[in-house]
Amino acid sequence: DAGVIQSPRHEVTEMGQEVTLRCKPISGHNSLFWYRQTMMRGLELLIYFNNNVPIDDSGMPEDRFSAKMPNASFSTLKIQPSEPRDSAVYFCASSLRLGAGDYEQYFGPGTRLTVT
Amino acid sequence: GDSVTQMEGPVTLSEEAFLTINCTYTATGYPSLFWYVQYPGEGLQLLLKATKADDKGSNKGFEATYRKETTSFHLEKGSVQVSDSAVYFCALSEGGNEKLTFGTGTRLTIIP
Repeated sequence: DAGVIQSPRHEVTEMGQEVTLRCKPISGHNSLFWYRQTMMRGLELLIYFNNNVPIDDSGMPEDRFSAKMPNASFSTLKIQPSEPRDSAVYFCASSLRLGAGDYEQYFGPGTRLTVT
Repeated sequence: GDSVTQMEGPVTLSEEAFLTINCTYTATGYPSLFWYVQYPGEGLQLLLKATKADDKGSNKGFEATYRKETTSFHLEKGSVQVSDSAVYFCALSEGGNEKLTFGTGTRLTIIP
């Protein structure tokens, strides 16, 4: 199994530019999560999807951030326009349901975003 | 709301020392509890979990027991190795909800 795949692994962009991060979850997993990790705020959940439907987007910082999951094997997180404070490592994770109330999340390697 | 409190780091130990990383939680129901590990430059990996009180999760020599009476899930290892150097996160999920609440992480460094 290839695990959760994220691209690009590194992204450097200038303030004001649009940034799109991509994620391919593990086949058969029906939930997908986007997290952001910084030294100051630690690990934050931005949004999660179940069966391609957004369930909780309360962690999305502001309207500049948007996420889509057009099908079970692909999701994007878009930032438009980007700002220096968006610099962080963005993780995608997918979840496997093992039984009632029993889940395991598997994380991708992350995308390191630097906005100058 | 739900929360997880982890022992402050960083923690530095010598190889073969005994490790404890404390984790306590606040939850309204009966959560499932997890430890994740993050090696440098990588994503988080599930290390172990426990889904009900008194369960013990174990993996790679690490153990943690779900203690409902003290609302704790402390991580232990009897003899650490340099390769255990990483950041360790305690987390919970509640009521069958897949959403995880993470602690702030504890950075562990093992010196030869």
